[in-house]
Amino acid sequence: EVQLVESGGGLVKPGGSLRLSCAASGFTFSSYNMNWVRQAPGKGLEWVSLISTSSSYIYYADSVKGRFTISRDNAKNSLYLQMNSLRAEDTAVYYCVREVVDRDGYNFDHWGQGILVTVSS
Amino acid sequence: DIQMTQSPSSLSASVGDRVTITCRASQGIRNDLDWYQQKPGKAPKRLIYTASSLQRGVPSRFSGSGSGTEFTLTISSLQPEDFATYYCLQHNSYPRTFGQGTKVEIK
Repeated sequence: EVQLVESGGGLVKPGGSLRLSCAASGFTFSSYNMNWVRQAPGKGLEWVSLISTSSSYIYYADSVKGRFTISRDNAKNSLYLQMNSLRAEDTAVYYCVREVVDRDGYNFDHWGQGILVTVSS
Repeated sequence: DIQMTQSPSSLSASVGDRVTITCRASQGIRNDLDWYQQKPGKAPKRLIYTASSLQRGVPSRFSGSGSGTEFTLTISSLQPEDFATYYCLQHNSYPRTFGQGTKVEIK
């Protein structure tokens, strides 16, 4: 069974930092691109970042570029998101999302349960 | 960056109604668009890929159309389990962008 379990969320002051982790199991982690997607309370989905299987390519949303860093450790089956210079507008539930790329295109087929990050003084 | 404008933001409909949701891209994205459904407290799931292909296991009352900048998701006969929020997602280029979402509520 595919499992994605996020951790590391919590309350942080504006300007502070936080590191999210996602522990993956039930599949060959190194074979899949991974994403972070967030959802502010009562709001819609926002794609945050993608990292390819071997970390050879990485992309970010404009809203987090220069402040957030995505990384992965395939030996530990883990995905990370280092968040610096946090703002109130970064308050959201953050989801770790597996991406399947096949003849049917790109599919965000498995999502973690999400972890809440609250940025407030 | 490509902006996705989704409309309406919400709608009220009855069981059996035909429902149409629209997404407009700020520039052409060929058919690189998917539709996702999210129910409260649940992860989103893909309904439609490459604009018009039905995800395996998704009921045939869901359909998608469009290409370039204009896309639609249609539910031909709304069922009780379809009350949810729907999002379009473009994967033509990075950064990927979701539409703002359409909440389908019971009339």
